[in-house]
Amino acid sequence: DTGVSQDPRHKITKRGQNVTFRCDPISEHNRLYWYRQTLGQGPEFLTYFQNEAQLEKSRLLSDRFSAERPKGSFSTLEIQRTEQGDSAMYLCASSFGLGRPPRNTEAFFGQGTRLTVV
Amino acid sequence: RKEVEQDPGPFNVPEGATVAFNCTYSNSASQSFFWYRQDCRKEPKLLMSVYSSGNEDGRFTAQLNRASQYISLLIRDSKLSDSATYLCVVNDGTASKLTFGTGTRLQVTL
Repeated sequence: DTGVSQDPRHKITKRGQNVTFRCDPISEHNRLYWYRQTLGQGPEFLTYFQNEAQLEKSRLLSDRFSAERPKGSFSTLEIQRTEQGDSAMYLCASSFGLGRPPRNTEAFFGQGTRLTVV
Repeated sequence: RKEVEQDPGPFNVPEGATVAFNCTYSNSASQSFFWYRQDCRKEPKLLMSVYSSGNEDGRFTAQLNRASQYISLLIRDSKLSDSATYLCVVNDGTASKLTFGTGTRLQVTL
């Protein structure tokens, strides 16, 4: 499978625990994005990487959230001291990031990690 | 004002009908525009990119009006399998993050 993969698919955690999600993008893609989606809403941007550099972070990304992409390949998203409001689907996407629009920003999503904080 | 606005629907149409979705965006510097399809509890999937001249892919036609900052998607001869949420997506002027609308839900019935 050469698509975007995310792990785990589902995570249930107790409030106050830390969780970490992993994303493996399409191998030729330079850009990697994290989004969060709650029921009835479109995906909300959290952060994105161009290779290993984290270029933008949303104000939604509080100090409890951190993302890394150490070698410019896979990425991790960690949430510390989880709260019930963190319950959502966390989506990862990747795109080429090079070339002319719109091809450079056509993004392909993984199946997401559904987080439930109890 | 939201960056990308869509009518949430739902649009309930019979099989074979033609249905149109509209979307407006606020950032005049946006360069790339897309329609994504999302099935219930699944990830968004790219349906089509939207080109300035308009483009067609089978039963689907997308149009862009930069002056009005307006994007549309037309679905002809609707199928039951077209039932999904359609997300209007716009990138910001620096060609980085994609901003999604809340989606328009389509239900095609017999």
